Amino acid sequence: EVQLVESGGGLVQPGGSLRLSCAASGFTFSDHYIDWVRQAPGKGLEWVGRSRNKANSYTAEYAASVNGRFTISRDDSKNSLYLQMNSLKTEDTAVYYCARDVGGRSSGYYFDYWGQGTLVTVSS
Amino acid sequence: DIQMTQSPSSLSASVGDRVTITCRASQGISTWLAWYQQKPEKAPKSLIYAASSLQSGVPSRFSGSGSGTDFTLTISSLQPEDFATYYCQQYFSYPLTFGGGTKVEIK
Repeated sequence: EVQLVESGGGLVQPGGSLRLSCAASGFTFSDHYIDWVRQAPGKGLEWVGRSRNKANSYTAEYAASVNGRFTISRDDSKNSLYLQMNSLKTEDTAVYYCARDVGGRSSGYYFDYWGQGTLVTVSS
Repeated sequence: DIQMTQSPSSLSASVGDRVTITCRASQGISTWLAWYQQKPEKAPKSLIYAASSLQSGVPSRFSGSGSGTDFTLTISSLQPEDFATYYCQQYFSYPLTFGGGTKVEIK
């Protein structure tokens, strides 16, 4: 059974840092791209960024709103994805989900499984 | 960035009704479109990819269509468990973008 479990959320002051984790199981983690998507309270879904797999050199893509402040990394030996969030702003307050990608170059990469999310609150 | 516009933003329907939600992309995305269902306080669930392909385990009452800029999600006979918010998403180019959501409520 595919499972994605996020952790690391909590309350942090503006300007602070936080590191989220996404622990995966039930599939070959190293084969897959994995994304972060967030949802501010009462709002819609917003893509945060993507980690490509080993075959694609673990490169990452980011939304403009987090580029330069957030960093996605992964440890395939631990089946885990990370989101290092620095210089946090109040507008980063959201539930953060990780999502597994499937697909390929010819069909595109889309989400099939999502984690349950972890809440990040940025407030003084 | 590609803007995704969903309509309506909300609708009221009865069990058994046929429901259609539309999604328009600000530029052509071929069929690189997905649909997700989200219930309150829950993670999104993947329904459809490639505009019309059902994810494994998704009931056949859900269907998707469209290509280019105009897409639809149809629920052929609304069931009690289908009351939720639905989002479209393009994965044609970065940044990946979502529609604003359509909340399907009980009439």
